[in-house]
Amino acid sequence: SQQGEEDPQALSIQEGENATMNCSYKTSINNLQWYRQNSGRGLVHLILIRSNEREKHSGRLRVTLDTSKKSSSLLITASRAADTASYFCATGTGTASKLTFGTGTRLQVTL
Amino acid sequence: DGGITQSPKYLFRKEGQNVTLSCEQNLNHDAMYWYRQDPGQGLRLIYYSQIVNDFQKGDIAEGYSVSREKKESFPLTVTSAQKNPTAFYLCASSIPGQGADDQPQHFGDGTRLSIL
Repeated sequence: SQQGEEDPQALSIQEGENATMNCSYKTSINNLQWYRQNSGRGLVHLILIRSNEREKHSGRLRVTLDTSKKSSSLLITASRAADTASYFCATGTGTASKLTFGTGTRLQVTL
Repeated sequence: DGGITQSPKYLFRKEGQNVTLSCEQNLNHDAMYWYRQDPGQGLRLIYYSQIVNDFQKGDIAEGYSVSREKKESFPLTVTSAQKNPTAFYLCASSIPGQGADDQPQHFGDGTRLSIL
């Protein structure tokens, strides 16, 4: 079952602009993680936010979590062509060593 | 350099044939996972293992089998019972052993399986 749903499904922006993608989930979570996937490659972990945290930063990435709305957002500032990839959220419920991944947002950054 | 190695990168299966996808990690991680990704879709969990000699079914285990005889290795067999095996298969590992899911997962670069 897919716990997370990303929005939008696809996003096209110009280099230097900010990109925001959202993730909604259905059940209570222990943590939420964001991953990036370049075409034809495996996923790369970007950032993890726990259920008792509201915001987290890592370089040009900013993640927020609103557990009352069961949603999270990933903001990439000053985007670069190299940011072109699919981005997935994944949730952990704390009951087993497994994550449930969303459907992903395809980000295209053009020069 | 530590990481996860999946092989082969491309694999073709004939009707009625079982095929095995290899996944090896040298990260000393206890937990390992197999996911299936269909075009334009997210990842769906096939099987996972939290410790050697133990594994659990994920959301779409039918038509697949696994073994976990060594900590480093978690091979996936796609059996002839899996009628629609064409997909991108990803293997991952993470640190936790039992019950903790708040660690990042590290992924291999996948195996693309197609039907001949």
